[in-house]
Amino acid sequence: GAVVSQHPSRVICKSGTSVKIECRSLDFQATTMFWYRQFPKKSLMLMATSNEGSKATYEQGVEKDKFLINHASLTLSTLTVTSAHPEDSSFYICSARDLGIPYEQYFGPGTRLTVT
Amino acid sequence: GDSVTQMEGPVTLSEEAFLTINCTYTATGYPSLFWYVQYPGEGLQLLLKATKADDKGSNKGFEATYRKETTSFHLEKGSVQVSDSAVYFCSTVGGSNYKLTFGKGTLLTVNP
Repeated sequence: GAVVSQHPSRVICKSGTSVKIECRSLDFQATTMFWYRQFPKKSLMLMATSNEGSKATYEQGVEKDKFLINHASLTLSTLTVTSAHPEDSSFYICSARDLGIPYEQYFGPGTRLTVT
Repeated sequence: GDSVTQMEGPVTLSEEAFLTINCTYTATGYPSLFWYVQYPGEGLQLLLKATKADDKGSNKGFEATYRKETTSFHLEKGSVQVSDSAVYFCSTVGGSNYKLTFGKGTLLTVNP
């Protein structure tokens, strides 16, 4: 149980285009999902917290107009990187919190974004 | 806010050696504590957890004990294997949205 999927696992896009990453909780309802960014050989940086049916809460320094987050259902959150630039290339990981076990997060396998 | 300090690597061991990765935390209240493992190119997997003082989390031969008096949650394994090579993250959870606070991660490499 408690499986979180991400799609796509890898994506390459050109500068100036937008890319959407999906995060799904497969066997539980996730009222809260989190989006992280991880640079090579670094820890995870929390970008935003997404609550179902409401606007995401962004961490300081994260551009909300560049990283659009939508959490329209209890099993799906999306992260859209708009007008991507090479410096947006990174490993993006989502996690989901089970309503029944609030202190535990389940992580997706990550999405490797490369902007050329 | 919460913070987590863990031993910075990289740590390189031979197979069957004993492993300790130190982790200390600062937090308000009584946070739950976690160790996550990340294999190359993958997301994070929960390795073990402890939710209250003196709890011992264990999984796959790894153990960690929640020490409130020393605010520590050190990860140990008696005999590491090559397949244990990965990055290990210590973390706490807190706040109304249960945000995770991560340590910087420790890269473990186990040689045959």
